Amino acid sequence: DTEVTQTPKHLVMGMTNKKSLKCEQHMGHRAMYWYKQKAKKPPELMFVYSYEKLSINESVPSRFSPECPNSSLLNLHLHALQPEDSALYLCASSQGVVGQGYEQYFGPGTRLTVT
Amino acid sequence: EDKVVQSPLSLVVHEGDTVTLNCSYEVTNFRSLLWYKQEKKAPTFLFMLTSSGIEKKSGRLSSILDKKELFSILNITATQTGDSAVYLCAVKTSGSRLTFGEGTQLTVNP
Repeated sequence: DTEVTQTPKHLVMGMTNKKSLKCEQHMGHRAMYWYKQKAKKPPELMFVYSYEKLSINESVPSRFSPECPNSSLLNLHLHALQPEDSALYLCASSQGVVGQGYEQYFGPGTRLTVT
Repeated sequence: EDKVVQSPLSLVVHEGDTVTLNCSYEVTNFRSLLWYKQEKKAPTFLFMLTSSGIEKKSGRLSSILDKKELFSILNITATQTGDSAVYLCAVKTSGSRLTFGEGTQLTVNP
């Protein structure tokens, strides 16, 4: 199984809602990532988890809260978002974070619209 | 600040043409360079390059890295309409940071 799955595929939420994005992989990868991608722009790194611990937070606002309950799952909790947070949220995983050249496998993304 | 620059930003060709996409980078603690193809949603991994001068090949696609001159190229021969996509170059540095270029929008017309 070389797949990263994400749910939901689409999400529309108001600025006062609380919602969560989910990501799952069963490749035994120990690093997982959240990216945000706006239209016609490359993905921007948000968070990196390594061995279920947060290792990188790219100065992401606190209205985005990541969680890694176990090595196969990664969540992104959303609260009090702004319309400019509307984007495609991509999850990725890789075998490891340390050392040279671990390729990242991306999920299909969740298309988030904040109204 | 790590920087990845792709050129051209946009390219329109006819089926059967050969294209060369460019990616140059300025980063600290280089680990690897990756090429992705992105159609409607998530990027699809194409190649990972870590060593200079060794060509990676997959069907009509090939890529090579020059670590001295800090660039990589992605070649696509005998292009097909299904090759139309954004091609992203990304450089991985220590600490697992992946810096993407802006991408090259390739359109292959029949």
